Amino acid sequence: EIVLTQSPGTLSLSPGESATLSCRASQTVSKTYLAWYQRKLGQAPRLLIYGASSRATGVPDRFSGSGSGTDFTLTISRLEPEDFAVYYCQQYGDSPWTFGQGTKVEV
Amino acid sequence: EVQLLESGGDLVQPGGSLRLSCAASGFTFSSFAMSWVREAPGKGLEWVSGLSNGGTGTYYADSVKGRFTISRDNSKNMLYLQMNSLKDEDTAVYHCVKDRRGNWNYAGALDSWGQGTRVTVSS
Repeated sequence: EIVLTQSPGTLSLSPGESATLSCRASQTVSKTYLAWYQRKLGQAPRLLIYGASSRATGVPDRFSGSGSGTDFTLTISRLEPEDFAVYYCQQYGDSPWTFGQGTKVEV
Repeated sequence: EVQLLESGGDLVQPGGSLRLSCAASGFTFSSFAMSWVREAPGKGLEWVSGLSNGGTGTYYADSVKGRFTISRDNSKNMLYLQMNSLKDEDTAVYHCVKDRRGNWNYAGALDSWGQGTRVTVSS
């Protein structure tokens, strides 16, 4: 199965700054089927990005995804207070679908 | 508004069985693939099983293949997970999850999640 490794484990930033989160796959993600999710404490994950770079419905344009092959990035420009959360990547190009371990974006 | 409400989680002994249910509302259930994703204590997210919008194609993680069966009733907007031969390592919160797509070939981006139901396997 494809192992996804996210870095860094924790990102300490202030509102207004930009965040760059990395997701590296152990092998090529087929069809760039790579998604990003946001998870806040006590809530279920929320889909942000699918297909590596397409924003899900209602997701602000300060969230952007990029990458292909084995290296993917989620960028959050101008962090808002509500953006401090844990972010997960997931590949769904090959079965079984797998998730990264998460990156915490904290104040 | 999409709503996914899981039920059926419980404490069960190793080797036992459990059936999870998920009541879906707020969208055309029969148009979308669905999955179950679990979170074990101290571990991350693990996709468990999924099926296409029509229910004809079912898919499983190796860890549950042969023990779990996923199904859906599109007339009732319900998703199910029959769990047999339960093991300690099946202990987790199980989330019912809606896909962006219906056809399994394009599925995998999970755009709505339920809050989950807790399954504890212990003697």
